[in-house]
Parts: sequence; structure tokens; C-alpha cells
Amino acid sequence: RKEVEQDPGPFNVPEGATVAFNCTYSNSASQSFFWYRQDCRKEPKLLMSVYSSGNEDGRFTAQLNRASQYISLLIRDSKLSDSATYLCVVNKAGGYNKLIFGAGTRLAVHP
Amino acid sequence: EPEVTQTPSHQVTQMGQEVILRCVPISNHLYFYWYRQILGQKVEFLVSFYNNEISEKSEIFDDQFSVERPDGSNFTLKIRSTKLEDSAMYFCASSADPPYGYTFGSGTRLTVV
Repeated sequence: RKEVEQDPGPFNVPEGATVAFNCTYSNSASQSFFWYRQDCRKEPKLLMSVYSSGNEDGRFTAQLNRASQYISLLIRDSKLSDSATYLCVVNKAGGYNKLIFGAGTRLAVHP
Repeated sequence: EPEVTQTPSHQVTQMGQEVILRCVPISNHLYFYWYRQILGQKVEFLVSFYNNEISEKSEIFDDQFSVERPDGSNFTLKIRSTKLEDSAMYFCASSADPPYGYTFGSGTRLTVV
């Protein structure tokens, strides 16, 4: 089983749509959770951390369900500039805090 | 905003040659990392470095790979004898408070021919 699994997409949505991405992780000892954004051939950039209580940053809402080992990202009112690959990332307990990346979900927002 | 700087942005090398990828982490960060991403695949951890030594490495990071912090600012990844399968984007990252506050460099695209 993959450590972090994501639907690869692509999700093709019109501007203004709401889109949701899901992610599951296999290691119940995982402690920290993130959504990163990666544009084509660029470096990953932190979009937001994910907390058990859920958290929101503008149009973006992230949720964590530790019991189900499930993470979600909701994007409201999609913009053309949201087109990118969204990476679900977890950090394993212990060690020196390496990040474990999912393969990413591609989002394409069209006019 | 502070940046992690990587050079070169693209390197083409012949199979069997040695390459050195260079990174300048953010100055007050103490934790350094190398990750790689083969085209079309996920980002994979290679190695972490703290207090002038390797703190963790993946199975990918075999004897062909080494890292060094030769001075107070640079952090390098050396591949001793490159293989075709080493072709990938290599990202350097640093953090003051991992796993939070990771900053990735813009990457070096390594092409082995």
C-alpha cells in the first residue's frame, strides 16, 4: 500500500466551481499533514497545514480525519490561477521530519 | 522573502560522470534536505542533514550519493557515477522548524545521457 494515496485526476472545472480533493495515508503514526501546490516543473510550495479541527485560508479549507487516516482539501470559487497539481504531504513521527509526498492531483480550471 | 537557491538550473551529463548539485539554504535554517522527482512521478526524500551530518537517508541514497556542507552557506549533493535513471529534478530544501517552514529551492534538472 502506498504511504500517501491521491486520485491523480485531472479535475477539469470551470471558473467559480467548488472542487474537493481527497487523500489517504497508511501510517497511523503520522503526525503532521500538509497540502502543497506544485506548478508544472516547479518546486512544491506550501499551501496550508492541516489540523484535526479543520482549518480555512480564504477559499481553501482543509480537513483531517485521523481515525480514517483521511485528509481533504476544498477549493471554493476556483480561479484560473488555481490550475496546478495539489500534493498531499505527511510527516512521519520521529526521525528528522522528512516529508512523504503523494503523487498529486492535477487541477485544471477553465474559463 | 528568503529563498533557497539552487545551481545550476539544468545540467546535462554523460553516464558515468560525476555531478555536483549546489544549494544555498536560508541562512538561519539548520535542517537541510535533498528530494528528487523523476518526471511524472512523486517527490521522493533522499537525505536529511543536521549538525553537519546525515540524520536520515532513503534507500535511494546509496553509495553513489554524498552530501556536504563545505562552508557556512553551501549544501551540495554529489552523484559519483551517474546512471540514466538518475535523470530527475533535484530539489534542495531547508527548514528552521521541521516539518513546518520547509522552503524548497527551484530545483536542478539533471539529464543523464
